[in-house]
Amino acid sequence: GIQVEQSPPDLILQEGANSTLRCNFSDSVNNLQWFHQNPWGQLINLFYIPSGTKQNGRLSATTVATERYSLLYISSSQTTDSGVYFCAVGNQAGTALIFGKGTTLSVSS
Amino acid sequence: EPEVTQTPSHQVTQMGQEVILRCVPISNHLYFYWYRQILGQKVEFLVSFYNNEISEKSEIFDDQFSVERPDGSNFTLKIRSTKLEDSAMYFCASTPEGVGYGYTFGSGTRLTVV
Repeated sequence: GIQVEQSPPDLILQEGANSTLRCNFSDSVNNLQWFHQNPWGQLINLFYIPSGTKQNGRLSATTVATERYSLLYISSSQTTDSGVYFCAVGNQAGTALIFGKGTTLSVSS
Repeated sequence: EPEVTQTPSHQVTQMGQEVILRCVPISNHLYFYWYRQILGQKVEFLVSFYNNEISEKSEIFDDQFSVERPDGSNFTLKIRSTKLEDSAMYFCASTPEGVGYGYTFGSGTRLTVV
């Protein structure tokens, strides 16, 4: 099956810093999503981005499908950005998402 | 904004008991899913459901698990005889279609088996 690897596993930032989270996947995909799991456990969909670049406020994401990776950029980080960021890719049948192990982000003021 | 609703938010059950976790997907969505997350670990796929039948299930989804859409709005996950290792956060999700749309997840049910 498809393997999803995320790096770094942990990231500690001061408020206002920028960061880049990476997701590598082992096979071609037609579905890639980034999620933020907040400290209360909720999974919030950030981007549906199987290819190309999208931006939403301080967050942006880029997926280079031919090279099998995706990047999530967080600019001017805030304490509310803390939590776990998951990358998830669709299986070949399009019936399930395969999640990476996540990047745990801690932003301090 | 439409949301997926899950109840209860927390459930504690005795080992060997049956539990039913409930979900109300977004009303115009067609695909429904259950995922679980053991504390501190990644989110794992359990089952997908479309057109009143299972479209895919993982190796985790064994005979102890079942899903049902008993009416036009609810989607349930039943665990027949719970084990300690079933303790996890269970998430329901829905999409308008399987591919091409982002998932909307519910807030989860934290199941603790004692």
